[in-house]
Amino acid sequence: LAKTTQPISMDSYEGQEVNITCSHNNIATNDYITWYQQFPSQGPRFIIQGYKTKVTNEVASLFIPADRKSSTLSLPRVSLSDTAVYYCLVGATYSGAGSYQLTFGKGTKLSVIP
Amino acid sequence: EPEVTQTPSHQVTQMGQEVILRCVPISNHLYFYWYRQILGQKVEFLVSFYNNEISEKSEIFDDQFSVERPDGSNFTLKIRSTKLEDSAMYFCASYQGTILAGVDTQYFGPGTRLTVL
Repeated sequence: LAKTTQPISMDSYEGQEVNITCSHNNIATNDYITWYQQFPSQGPRFIIQGYKTKVTNEVASLFIPADRKSSTLSLPRVSLSDTAVYYCLVGATYSGAGSYQLTFGKGTKLSVIP
Repeated sequence: EPEVTQTPSHQVTQMGQEVILRCVPISNHLYFYWYRQILGQKVEFLVSFYNNEISEKSEIFDDQFSVERPDGSNFTLKIRSTKLEDSAMYFCASYQGTILAGVDTQYFGPGTRLTVL
């Protein structure tokens, strides 16, 4: 599994765009990059996944440079409800029979300030 | 939107007692998982389950743990003799089984907070 490094915490004011960068220097050729969000006392929630260039959905954008050694999760105009921990996952461990176990790091704790 | 549900939301038990944590995965999903998160720590994989058998388990998932899919909808985690260090949030997750691209997307439940006294 590729080792990931992301900031432990970030603060942002409401209405600002937030960019969280994840480093994954030893990403493998067939690894995808996935971001999950976790609110306090809740389970992780899938946000976005990408392989290269840019992916956008209704929640966020994911920017991946050509060398794929890092990725940036972009949250437009954050609100207080975006306060959560954001996890960058690269690749997964095959569990057998077509299933993969997810390996979470410590994530980035985003605090949105009014 | 379909979701994974878990019961109870909070379980308090005495050390040495058996507990059963229950999950109802999303109905057309084929793969099921249990993860746990000790307060302030990472989410850790415990076990994956497919086709009525365990496909993978972590070192944490020792003989005190077992999983079962007793009917077509429920998925349970049993801890036979709880220890203080089993206190954690336990998350159930499920996955449809159709890899559209890259790694599966697992959907997590809200968790059960287990407190062992």
